Amino acid sequence: DQQVKQNSPSLSVQEGRISILNCDYTNSMFDYFLWYKKYPAEGPTFLISISSIKDKNEDGRFTVFLNKSAKHLSLHIVPSQPGDSAVYFCAASVYTSGTYKYIFGTGTRLKVLA
Amino acid sequence: GAVVSQHPSWVICKSGTSVKIECRSLDFQATTMFWYRQFPKQSLMLMATSNEGSKATYEQGVEKDKFLINHASLTLSTLTVTSAHPEDSSFYICSARAYEGHRSYEQYFGPGTRLTVT
Repeated sequence: DQQVKQNSPSLSVQEGRISILNCDYTNSMFDYFLWYKKYPAEGPTFLISISSIKDKNEDGRFTVFLNKSAKHLSLHIVPSQPGDSAVYFCAASVYTSGTYKYIFGTGTRLKVLA
Repeated sequence: GAVVSQHPSWVICKSGTSVKIECRSLDFQATTMFWYRQFPKQSLMLMATSNEGSKATYEQGVEKDKFLINHASLTLSTLTVTSAHPEDSSFYICSARAYEGHRSYEQYFGPGTRLTVT
């Protein structure tokens, strides 16, 4: 039962253009959503997060949008740079069994072409 | 701030032996640490949650007698893969959550440990 889904396993974008990575979830109890960037053989690096009570959060080139009614969030990267090429995971936080846990999506591999 | 280290970064062991992986929070105290496993081209799967001074809570399907977790202090958690088999080969990642000065839902990830069992 995949509660957090990233349906696009890969995405290629031209440098300077916008990258849009999508994530869908099923559990309405998720209270926080996060995006992580990951390079091979490294741990994930936190990028940006959004509370379930907001619909947008912006940090530099990164903006996360949340549509609660659709149970959908997206990460926009503008402008995309070659250094953004990595695997991006969305994660959802839920408070259960006395602690916050993260449920990760399957990841989207972004390739930014120079 | 919020640096998490793992040691070793990679290890090769023979089938049947045990391997210990350390996870340390270097500049903050982590009351809760998490252990994840990632298979190639797959998501990070939460294996267990460990709280300092208490027994770890394992996710469904994770053998607690095979994956021993000890959270001995506020800066150290260890994962021991006992009697390792080739199917245990994977990328193991820990994360730590701090409370003081950090929002309670944020986790900081270590760089991961690549385990290969031959």
